[in-house]
Amino acid sequence: SVLTQPRSLSGSPGQSVTISCTGSATDVGRSSYVSWYQQHPGKVPKLILFDTYKRPSGVSHRFSGSKSGNTASLTISGLQAEDEADYFCSSYAGRNDVVFGGGTKLTVL
Amino acid sequence: QVTLRESGPARVSGTETLTLTCTVSGVSLATSEVSVSWIRQPPGKALEWLARIDWDDDRAYAARLQTGASGLHISKDTSRNQVVLRMTNLDPMDTGTYFCAQMIYGHHAYELWGQGTLVTVSS
Repeated sequence: SVLTQPRSLSGSPGQSVTISCTGSATDVGRSSYVSWYQQHPGKVPKLILFDTYKRPSGVSHRFSGSKSGNTASLTISGLQAEDEADYFCSSYAGRNDVVFGGGTKLTVL
Repeated sequence: QVTLRESGPARVSGTETLTLTCTVSGVSLATSEVSVSWIRQPPGKALEWLARIDWDDDRAYAARLQTGASGLHISKDTSRNQVVLRMTNLDPMDTGTYFCAQMIYGHHAYELWGQGTLVTVSS
């Protein structure tokens, strides 16, 4: 994948976890169009953040996003059992191209 | 309420052309700022954006696939409200679930997804 994410992360209920998404100056570094998706096993991806930090209607305020340089981050606060899922980042990469990260498997201990 | 539904063959060989159809309900593909993409996911792996078509027939393809042997073509039939993806030069690595999704126009983010269709490519 073009964008690099940690393959796995874990946290205990109530904790905060941050998932990083590292790209380059041609994608994450130059674009505010970074999105994050949550995918439970066997389910369709769900958009949880777009434009780096904006939440679609209905998405919990526990999900927040930021970006610094070529790295975007998704922070999940007050971790809950239902947050256990795969998380994917994506970024606009110019010339109408979109690239995704390799995904992070989040385990809630 | 907008919904998307993918359809196509469950299995194809590498010598065939894969044709996938995304039937959209609840909004016309001719409506301004309506944009539909195809995104795929090999089993247990990451998402990969493939192509997009907009209401005005503007199209875009993944840069990585344009430089390889993959033959990708996206089109739409406004009368049937369907988006069609055709792929040639198939390889078993093209096996995966193919999703169509509606983009939040101008934001390159996908809020509405179909359920996906699993395609297995045999050599």
